Amino acid sequence: DTEVTQTPKHLVMGMTNKKSLKCEQHMGHRAMYWYKQKAKKPPELMFVYSYEKLSINESVPSRFSPECPNSSLLNLHLHALQPEDSALYLCASSESIAGTQYFGPGTRLTVL
Amino acid sequence: GNSVTQMEGPVTLSEEAFLTINCTYTATGYPSLFWYVQYPGEGLQLLLKATKADDKGSNKGFEATYRKETTSFHLEKGSVQVSDSAVYFCALSDFQGGSEKLVFGKGTKLTVNP
Repeated sequence: DTEVTQTPKHLVMGMTNKKSLKCEQHMGHRAMYWYKQKAKKPPELMFVYSYEKLSINESVPSRFSPECPNSSLLNLHLHALQPEDSALYLCASSESIAGTQYFGPGTRLTVL
Repeated sequence: GNSVTQMEGPVTLSEEAFLTINCTYTATGYPSLFWYVQYPGEGLQLLLKATKADDKGSNKGFEATYRKETTSFHLEKGSVQVSDSAVYFCALSDFQGGSEKLVFGKGTKLTVNP
């Protein structure tokens, strides 16, 4: 089973809202990732967690705040987003930092 | 740095036609190579991978061979179906700063007509 789940599937928020995206995997993977994908583009890496510690932050604005409460769960907290942040947000996981990445179905975010 | 170049498309084929999507890479060392597929409105699914030279990855009738001499990892399928319509991304693993990242090509949109 290589399933990564993400909730919600769709999210519409205003620029003053605070919301969170959730990602879960039960494969025992110890590395988890957040990507942002704009239309007709490849995914862009945002954050990498390894053993629940932030390993990579690709210079993402502070209005995006990741959290890894345990080895199965990854959150992305959103605050004061801009319309240009509208995109598909993808979560992925891998056995280790050097392993094959498996992606979830994504959360389609619209910022009004 | 490491990079991936793939044919941009879009590619339009009739059902049962032969498919090739070209992918070449630039890398130091020996990266692993991947093909991911993204169906409309969905996330990325791992289609196949190869971890060393001359390895052939295969899945669902798709194949790709890791060619070090030509730095290529072309995706092929002998007979496409309408259900293969999707965007295909070639990617390589890039180990930098103590972590491994995926470097993606720009993606190739495939449309298969009945």
